[in-house]
Amino acid sequence: DIQMTQSPSSVSASVGDRVTITCRASQGIIGWLAWYQQKPGKAPKVLIYAASSLQSGVPSRFSGSGSGTDFTLTITSLQPEDSATYFCQQTDSFPITFGQGTRLEIK
Amino acid sequence: EVQLVESGGSFVQPGGSLRLSCAASGFTFSTSAMSWVRQAPGKGLQWVSTISGSDRNTYYADSVKGRFTISRDNSKNTLYMQMNSLRAEDAALYYCAKLRVGPRSDFDIWGQGTMVTVSS
Repeated sequence: DIQMTQSPSSVSASVGDRVTITCRASQGIIGWLAWYQQKPGKAPKVLIYAASSLQSGVPSRFSGSGSGTDFTLTITSLQPEDSATYFCQQTDSFPITFGQGTRLEIK
Repeated sequence: EVQLVESGGSFVQPGGSLRLSCAASGFTFSTSAMSWVRQAPGKGLQWVSTISGSDRNTYYADSVKGRFTISRDNSKNTLYMQMNSLRAEDAALYYCAKLRVGPRSDFDIWGQGTMVTVSS
């Protein structure tokens, strides 16, 4: 199975800051990676797919990059509504696996 | 409106069975690969199973293989998960999700989830 390791596990930042979350796969997954945002009591929502494609309707302050084993989700100009938990997911092969999540708190 | 609505979650004793359903609307269900993903309270996301649009291919997490069966009725736009021999560790919120394209794609639509509680 492909293990997905996210870092950090939690981060606290201020409105207007830039935040970077990383995800490392235990083996190469080319660009088969997605990022999700989950708010308490809600279903996950896809932000980025295929490593760097922005989901329709998602603000452009969210961006993704990377290939192979190392990937990054960047949020520029952080907003209060970005407070959530973020998960990466590899879709290269079954079993599909997720990172453990990164909790983002707005100071 | 594009929508997935799960149902069937309940309280069940260990060893019991449940069937979850997921009603789809607003997109072409019959050609869409679908999955179940679960989330234990306060925990992360765990993929459970995927079924192709044609129903020819199914995939399972090792933890549920042989106990859970994913299926679909394209005439009813409904996805199912038959869950047998339930264990305490199966307790979770179960989401159904649509894959964007084929098996190697993300989940672009999610339902609101249905809760499964397994306890004696």
